[in-house]
Amino acid sequence: SSELAQDPAVSVALGQTARIKCQGDTLRGYHATWYQQKPGQAPVLVISAKDHRPSGIPDRFSASRSGDTASLTITGAQAGDEGDYYCNSRDTSGGLLFGGGTHLTVL
Amino acid sequence: QLQLQESGPGLVKPSETLSLTCAVSGGSISSSYYYWGWIRQPPGKGLEWIGNIYFSGDIYYNPSLESRVNISMDTSKNQFSLKLSSVTAADTAVYYCATVPTGYAYGYWVDSWGQGTLVTVSS
Repeated sequence: SSELAQDPAVSVALGQTARIKCQGDTLRGYHATWYQQKPGQAPVLVISAKDHRPSGIPDRFSASRSGDTASLTITGAQAGDEGDYYCNSRDTSGGLLFGGGTHLTVL
Repeated sequence: QLQLQESGPGLVKPSETLSLTCAVSGGSISSSYYYWGWIRQPPGKGLEWIGNIYFSGDIYYNPSLESRVNISMDTSKNQFSLKLSSVTAADTAVYYCATVPTGYAYGYWVDSWGQGTLVTVSS
């Protein structure tokens, strides 16, 4: 079965740039989408496939892809960016495939 | 903007069937623009896709859950439902209903989430 791998945790100094990666074979054919989740809340769409940011999401958040790896970049990280970040893509069965999540700590 | 609201029992006994409903407002469940889906998240763990249903009746399930899952829709009530049979403690999770936009060949994502409902499997 297909999988999406994420580092469990990433830390970044306040105001610096954080990069969160997502790796999987499905990303060679499909773009990744990124979500932010804070404790006790539902995930929030940050960047959908092909780098579309919903209204209200600052342009500090950007996405890229190379081969089987997608990346979420947060430029000028703020304390409010702390939380769990999940990537997702389409899997071979036609459904949604999620990465295991990355906890971002802003120091 | 679409709003989704899950409802159902918060406690289910082992071996029984978990049943949840998602009420949709702000749009029609007969829309061709969305798949209507269920996603769950065990406490302290990551997200797991359960399945999607389309207005045409097409249904897609996570292969790991397919033998126990049934998703249906009721257009007269503008809602869709999840049934998960033979539950165990491993099925304890927050269950979200969600919308997945259709028509994008390059990707697949959730653009609206319900608030989520915790279902605990315990005797």
